[in-house]
Amino acid sequence: DAKTTQPPSMDCAEGRAANLPCNHSTISGNEYVYWYRQIHSQGPQYIIHGLKNNETNEMASLIITEDRKSSTLILPHATLRDTAVYYCIVGISSNTGKLIFGQGTTLQVKP
Amino acid sequence: EAGVVQSPRYKIIEKKQPVAFWCNPISGHNTLYWYRQNLGQGPELLIRYENEEAVDDSQLPKDRFSAERLKGVDSTLKIQPAELGDSAVYLCASSLGDYSTYEQYFGPGTRLTVT
Repeated sequence: DAKTTQPPSMDCAEGRAANLPCNHSTISGNEYVYWYRQIHSQGPQYIIHGLKNNETNEMASLIITEDRKSSTLILPHATLRDTAVYYCIVGISSNTGKLIFGQGTTLQVKP
Repeated sequence: EAGVVQSPRYKIIEKKQPVAFWCNPISGHNTLYWYRQNLGQGPELLIRYENEEAVDDSQLPKDRFSAERLKGVDSTLKIQPAELGDSAVYLCASSLGDYSTYEQYFGPGTRLTVT
């Protein structure tokens, strides 16, 4: 599975969009990009995933570059409850399901 | 819909004592995972079950850790004897399996402190 690189921390003002970047330059053609987040004292929570097209759900949008070497998770209107560690993970959908978590990005949403 | 249930939420034991964690996955989820999360780190997979079969236990320290998933539903993870380095949060997750294996649903975890 490809490795990912994320900034260790980011701040965002409440109500503004939070844009969390992720580099995955060694991603293979059949590997998906998955995003999870972990709020303090809770288990990780699945957010969204994508292969090559941009994806949107009720929680967030995922923008994947055309060369697929990087992606951005967008929380359109961040709230204080979005403060969490965000993990970008790359893997093959039909593979082992072994999520390899890196250090993630700690997003602090400030009032 | 009920989420993944884990118990206990917290456990404090002395080293060399045994300890067990219990997990009940989301109904209908065939795949169950146990992860360990050390302080400040991301979770690491210990074992994965497909129904009642352990299909990936390569990261499970088999000298002291054991797990079972009888009847392919709930699961128990045991440590015997516990060591100081086992202090961590133990997370259980489940998924539908097949092509949804990366969409995993996690429980709140059990925080283990070994003194």
